Amino acid sequence: GAGVSQSPRYKVAKRGQDVALRCDPISGHVSLFWYQQALGQGPEFLTYFQNEAQLDKSGLPSDRFFAERPEGSVSTLKIQRTQQEDSAVYLCASSTHEAFHGYTFGSGTRLTVV
Amino acid sequence: DAKTTQPPSMDCAEGRAANLPCNHSTISGNEYVYWYRQIHSQGPQYIIHGLKNNETNEMASLIITEDRKSSTLILPHATLRDTAVYYCIVRVHLGGSQGNLIFGKGTKLSVKP
Repeated sequence: GAGVSQSPRYKVAKRGQDVALRCDPISGHVSLFWYQQALGQGPEFLTYFQNEAQLDKSGLPSDRFFAERPEGSVSTLKIQRTQQEDSAVYLCASSTHEAFHGYTFGSGTRLTVV
Repeated sequence: DAKTTQPPSMDCAEGRAANLPCNHSTISGNEYVYWYRQIHSQGPQYIIHGLKNNETNEMASLIITEDRKSSTLILPHATLRDTAVYYCIVRVHLGGSQGNLIFGKGTKLSVKP
């Protein structure tokens, strides 16, 4: 597709449930980022991939958060044993290595933990 | 990374120019100024970036002061669809492993008819 696709668009999870959020980046984009956006705040960095290599995971808030991009294309962000504080919009972005035209973001997955 | 300061909100009349300021007084010589915007329920959208020269594209113009301590994003003829949160970000560069963007709270621009 022409843009970054994220699914599901909305997810409601019961506290303690595991969730998996999917990101389909623009074809050929080497770099892929995950961000977390709480209500009323700017997006906050979670993790970065260059192809299949996870080069930076300094923003992951706890070991319950795990991201992968096994073939250097689609990425999955997994959250284990969800807590209410995990409720947020999770954004995925991709770019070419040089990122001359900035990053292209998806519309995000809104996760609500009840 | 250098921090930026933006007003929390601004109003603009439809059809008029919207001028969004950003202060980045601690910017380093090799750091770029980037602007993104986020329309409600969408992901951020890249607008423009610059190092020290003024830049213009189909979306906006970016004016950077000579001392690079501040900049202004100009939307020349604002429309209702320009209502969004606008983020000013400074980074060394976007490519490669240093590409993480640090967003602040941005400026909520409301374009009114």
